[in-house]
Amino acid sequence: RKEVEQDPGPFNVPEGATVAFNCTYSNSASQSFFWYRQDCRKEPKLLMSVYSSGNEDGRFTAQLNRASQYISLLIRDSKLSDSATYLCVVFPPYTGNQFYFGTGTSLTVIP
Amino acid sequence: EAGVVQSPRYKIIEKKQPVAFWCNPISGHNTLYWYRQNLGQGPELLIRYENEEAVDDSQLPKDRFSAERLKGVDSTLKIQPAELGDSAVYLCASSKREAFGNTIYFGEGSWLTVV
Repeated sequence: RKEVEQDPGPFNVPEGATVAFNCTYSNSASQSFFWYRQDCRKEPKLLMSVYSSGNEDGRFTAQLNRASQYISLLIRDSKLSDSATYLCVVFPPYTGNQFYFGTGTSLTVIP
Repeated sequence: EAGVVQSPRYKIIEKKQPVAFWCNPISGHNTLYWYRQNLGQGPELLIRYENEEAVDDSQLPKDRFSAERLKGVDSTLKIQPAELGDSAVYLCASSKREAFGNTIYFGEGSWLTVV
């Protein structure tokens, strides 16, 4: 089983829509979770960390469900500039400084 | 603060030729990573360094790939000889242990095309 699994999409949504991505992880002891954004032919960049209580940054909300071992990213009022690939990243304990990446979920926001 | 710096950004080589990539991590970051990313896939770890020690190179194809991190700062990744299947983007990243947890930062990547 992969450490991190994501629905690759693609998700094609109209401007202004709300879209949600989920990501599941296999190591129940994992403590640190992140969402990264990757634009076409660019490097991944940190979008937001995911805290146990959930966190919000403007139109973006990240949540953690430990019981079901998944994290989610919700984007409200989608903008054209949100079009990108969103990578789920998990940092399990006791693996050294090892990060595990999902395959990414592709989002295209349509005018 | 300067980010992770990589060079070259783009490289086109013929198969069987050698190629090398260079990375300078963020200052103070002890952990350095080399990832390979193919189109439509997430980054896959090739090798991870803690200071100058390679602590995880299990996914590095050692018959043709080599890496070093002399003095625990800059790192180079070499492929010799390159094969067509090596075409990908090679991402260098670094991280640092912090009280609230680790975060990984990427360089812009070195895009390799083998023809």
